[in-house]
Amino acid sequence: RKEVEQDPGPFNVPEGATVAFNCTYSNSASQSFFWYRQDCRKEPKLLMSVYSSGNEDGRFTAQLNRASQYISLLIRDSKLSDSATYLCVVPNNAGNMLTFGGGTRLMVKP
Amino acid sequence: EPEVTQTPSHQVTQMGQEVILRCVPISNHLYFYWYRQILGQKVEFLVSFYNNEISEKSEIFDDQFSVERPDGSNFTLKIRSTKLEDSAMYFCASTESTGQLYEQYFGPGTRLTVT
Repeated sequence: RKEVEQDPGPFNVPEGATVAFNCTYSNSASQSFFWYRQDCRKEPKLLMSVYSSGNEDGRFTAQLNRASQYISLLIRDSKLSDSATYLCVVPNNAGNMLTFGGGTRLMVKP
Repeated sequence: EPEVTQTPSHQVTQMGQEVILRCVPISNHLYFYWYRQILGQKVEFLVSFYNNEISEKSEIFDDQFSVERPDGSNFTLKIRSTKLEDSAMYFCASTESTGQLYEQYFGPGTRLTVT
């Protein structure tokens, strides 16, 4: 299994839709996880952190399933501005190295 | 809001030349990182740096790469003899501490083009 694996998409959804992305990871010892957002040719920016079973921030919900080693990101009421690539990121145990998934591209259409 | 800055935004160089990419991390941060992203591919870790020492590096970070904190504000990545395959976006990042809970803040990147 790849270290961090994501469906590359693209996910094409209309405004207002709910969309979910999944990510699987190989290191069963990983304790925390991140979802970063990356706009075209820009730097990654932190969207959410996930430490326990899940986290919610407004329209965004991240959930963690340790038994199955996957993390999900749910976006409700999609906006045009949500169009971006969403990166699943797993730190090593020391926290001094991030492993990125290949990203899932989301395109929200009017 | 404090941010990581990088210069130049775009660097074009010829194969075999040396390049130095510069980063100014957030001022109270103590841990520094370099990542690269080849066009169309995922972000890849290169190296982490703390207390004037490399604390972790990847297989990509071979002898042609080096990092330095030449003064109290800058953090540099040097590529000694560039190859075509070094063409990529190079991101610098910093954190105030280490551990799985700390967010890494990324700079806007330097696009390196090797011709």
